[in-house]
Amino acid sequence: GQNIDQPTEMTATEGAIVQINCTYQTSGFNGLFWYQQHAGEAPTFLSYNVLDGLEEKGRFSSFLSRSKGYSYLLLKELQMKDSASYLCAVRDPTSNYQLIWGAGTKLIIKP
Amino acid sequence: DAGITQSPRHKVTETGTPVTLRCHQTENHRYMYWYRQDPGHGLRLIHYSYGVKDTDKGEVSDGYSVSRSKTEDFLLTLESATSSQTSVYFCATRDRENTEAFFGQGTRLTVV
Repeated sequence: GQNIDQPTEMTATEGAIVQINCTYQTSGFNGLFWYQQHAGEAPTFLSYNVLDGLEEKGRFSSFLSRSKGYSYLLLKELQMKDSASYLCAVRDPTSNYQLIWGAGTKLIIKP
Repeated sequence: DAGITQSPRHKVTETGTPVTLRCHQTENHRYMYWYRQDPGHGLRLIHYSYGVKDTDKGEVSDGYSVSRSKTEDFLLTLESATSSQTSVYFCATRDRENTEAFFGQGTRLTVV
């Protein structure tokens, strides 16, 4: 079956670093997306990984290991505005390339 | 960002009534999607469209229908609303299959 697992909630301190993990078991794989969603708002795109390795984009980095079915999102120099839910999604070519979504990780930043 | 507008933004309706949600985009994106988002669940695909008059079912399509008569508009209809359809509905668009999706602001629907 299709399954995307993420921790439900995480807490971190302003200025620190946090790693949000995502593991997936899907019929096929053709890329992994990370989105950020503030409460009451729409998801917005953060990163896309299709090959193994680390993609860095400012304070945010995303890592992928296809052999392990594993990705993480790394947030550095945390700011209060980073308090949001982070959604992991896998594109599955066996499902007409639709996105299979995890339930999201709610990140709480404390001063 | 893609210009995606959902209407209405909030709606309360009674069980058994028909409801139509509208998604309008100004980016000429080929692909359009309707998702629902519920606590404890990831975004779940209801229906999607890969062109005018070309639509297909997602994983939770029962009780919903869609239409796309123009590139810019994608309508989601609940023929007879039920309480289980209380949710936040998001429309999304994509230019190509291997690009990121852009989301509308969502419609909060309550069926009483």
